[in-house]
Amino acid sequence: QSDLTQPASVSGSPGQSITISCTGSISDVGSYKYVCWYQQYPGKAPKLVIYDVTERPSGISDRFSGSKSGNTASLTISRLQAEDEADYFCSSWTTSSTWVFGGGTKVTVL
Amino acid sequence: QLQLHQSGPGLVKPSETLSLTCNVSGGSMTSTNFYWGWIRQSPGKGLEWIGNVLFNGDTSYNPSLKNRVTMSVDTSKNHFSLRLSSVTAADTAVYFCARHVGLHDTSGYHLYFDYWGQGVLVTVSS
Repeated sequence: QSDLTQPASVSGSPGQSITISCTGSISDVGSYKYVCWYQQYPGKAPKLVIYDVTERPSGISDRFSGSKSGNTASLTISRLQAEDEADYFCSSWTTSSTWVFGGGTKVTVL
Repeated sequence: QLQLHQSGPGLVKPSETLSLTCNVSGGSMTSTNFYWGWIRQSPGKGLEWIGNVLFNGDTSYNPSLKNRVTMSVDTSKNHFSLRLSSVTAADTAVYFCARHVGLHDTSGYHLYFDYWGQGVLVTVSS
């Protein structure tokens, strides 16, 4: 069981928008802006797509956006494309100076 | 372009020590902005942070693994290492090394893992 709670799967059609939630606690998501999202294809290493709740690393499409409200962070993928089909993990820095991760969400493009 | 490449045995016997090394190329390890971390992923499951090590040897570990983990760094060889003792089947996972950024700039402080190694599956079995 992971420290952060994510839905196991989310699906959408090409061109649609989907949102993945990541629920933690006041000890992690609720305390800091240090929430990240990673994209992972099967057999590959995770790739950073969002950091500091809302920031995109260089080279990441603006179709990826992040937000946070209270103890829940969210990743939205707009204008969904086939290449977005992957697993997505959230992570948060904690008040114990550790990192915690979510269990991952499988995104399916219908 | 920074690259991280991991090496180490893919099979470890129960009760023995898992040892992995991560070689860093294309960049320096000696910056206070970067820690060097290890994260693992059990088959079909989520990610678990194991810990980080700074170039000077300062470490921070996941409390759940702290008693069994040792991380070290050798800047002369541009690599850092993980040792996990007394392994059991529960330690079977893909182990990733990654660069942990702790950076202060004009827009504030930032924390994230940016560059990752390719991952190594370590199976604990007799």
